[in-house]
Amino acid sequence: QSALTQPASVSGSPGQSIAISCTGTSSDVGGYDYVSWYQHHPGTAPKLIIFEVNNRPSGISDRFSGSKSGNTASLTITGLQPEDEGDYYCLSYTNTITLVFGGGTKLTVL
Amino acid sequence: QVQLVQSGSELKKPGASVRVSCKASGYTFTRYFMNWVRQAPGQGLEWMGNIDTNGNPSYAQGFRGRFVFSVDSSVNTAYLQINSLKAEDKAVYYCVRGTNEYPGMDYWGQGTLVSVSS
Repeated sequence: QSALTQPASVSGSPGQSIAISCTGTSSDVGGYDYVSWYQHHPGTAPKLIIFEVNNRPSGISDRFSGSKSGNTASLTITGLQPEDEGDYYCLSYTNTITLVFGGGTKLTVL
Repeated sequence: QVQLVQSGSELKKPGASVRVSCKASGYTFTRYFMNWVRQAPGQGLEWMGNIDTNGNPSYAQGFRGRFVFSVDSSVNTAYLQINSLKAEDKAVYYCVRGTNEYPGMDYWGQGTLVSVSS
């Protein structure tokens, strides 16, 4: 199972909005509404911020939202804040009953 | 609250074995899968596989053979054993609780660094 495709990096200024894409195939992202997103600050444990495409766990800011169209899922962060800087990973369920991550995207808040 | 506490960093020689532990608390251990995720230096996250509520492991491609998942329900602990260690096994290994409501993962351990050097 190949890793899902994410941009290597994105950047934005405080207060702006950014979107991170996650492209797979009909065997994973496109076939199921089981896409999650994780925020990872190096040296700490990753944190679940979106599950089932567009749901936020309790305690996650509504500045984070998810969507999906076809084989591509997206994470949008509005009102960028310095603490949003870090790495973001998508994860999808696949038709071989496995999970697959995206390659990760480094978000820089300018 | 859900907590997964992993064992400390390990430094092993090539060819040796290592066992990483992941002690769970704050939930009923036997009702959830446990996943393992690897992050090699400078690389992204990689799903290694999981172990189900009956103790049956499932390994992702690339992790079959030298990697062994197990659980000891009496102490609410999951284990990852890596045999015949190679230099390229150097990574941070995370245990991650599986979700019951959908196929995914929610709570993460703090990670265990495994280094391999002669």
